[in-house]
Amino acid sequence: AQSVTQLDSQVPVFEEAPVELRCNYSSSVSVYLFWYVQYPNQGLQLLLKYLSGSTLVKGINGFEAEFNKSQTSFHLRKPSVHISDTAEYFCAVKLQGAQKLVFGQGTRLTINP
Amino acid sequence: SAVISQKPSRDICQRGTSLTIQCQVDSQVTMMFWYRQQPGQSLTLIATANQGSEATYESGFVIDKFPISRPNLTFSTLTVSNMSPEDSSIYLCSVVWGANTEAFFGQGTRLTVV
Repeated sequence: AQSVTQLDSQVPVFEEAPVELRCNYSSSVSVYLFWYVQYPNQGLQLLLKYLSGSTLVKGINGFEAEFNKSQTSFHLRKPSVHISDTAEYFCAVKLQGAQKLVFGQGTRLTINP
Repeated sequence: SAVISQKPSRDICQRGTSLTIQCQVDSQVTMMFWYRQQPGQSLTLIATANQGSEATYESGFVIDKFPISRPNLTFSTLTVSNMSPEDSSIYLCSVVWGANTEAFFGQGTRLTVV
């Protein structure tokens, strides 16, 4: 069975600083990878996804992620964060051909002025 | 993308009672799912809502506690039965729409059991 590990439960950063949220997965078969964001008191919104092709994927709000098959990682990055990026971020994996998503534990990103 | 409406958005309920949560999508979708997000936790899949047949439950979730209906391709309900404070969570409806591989989520129902 596949699993997802988000290595940091909380990440505090200063405004305009770069940030990386780490995600590792385990699976014996090919997977699709996703990052979702959850703003306070809201549902989940898709930030970006990796299905195939280029390992660097760009998403909304200036975020990007790089798929590294050898390290089974899919880390999320943003070169300069804003106060509005304060939210919970979830990495998720889905087996190719399946429909069920498996989520990581989440990383709470806090932006300090 | 699909527009997913969940009702109610939040509720405070007495222990021992039941609450039914509705999920309405503005277009027909292939798959509908129900997730639970306990306070400070990640999302856990409760079940897949199957149109015209019984839902498929994940390990640790049973139909008697979380009965699910899906009468058509745009609507589903989740009932949380005989509630206890441990059921206090956010419950989220999710859909996979057409050939897309990503899931879309409703805004969630924030349930507090007292």
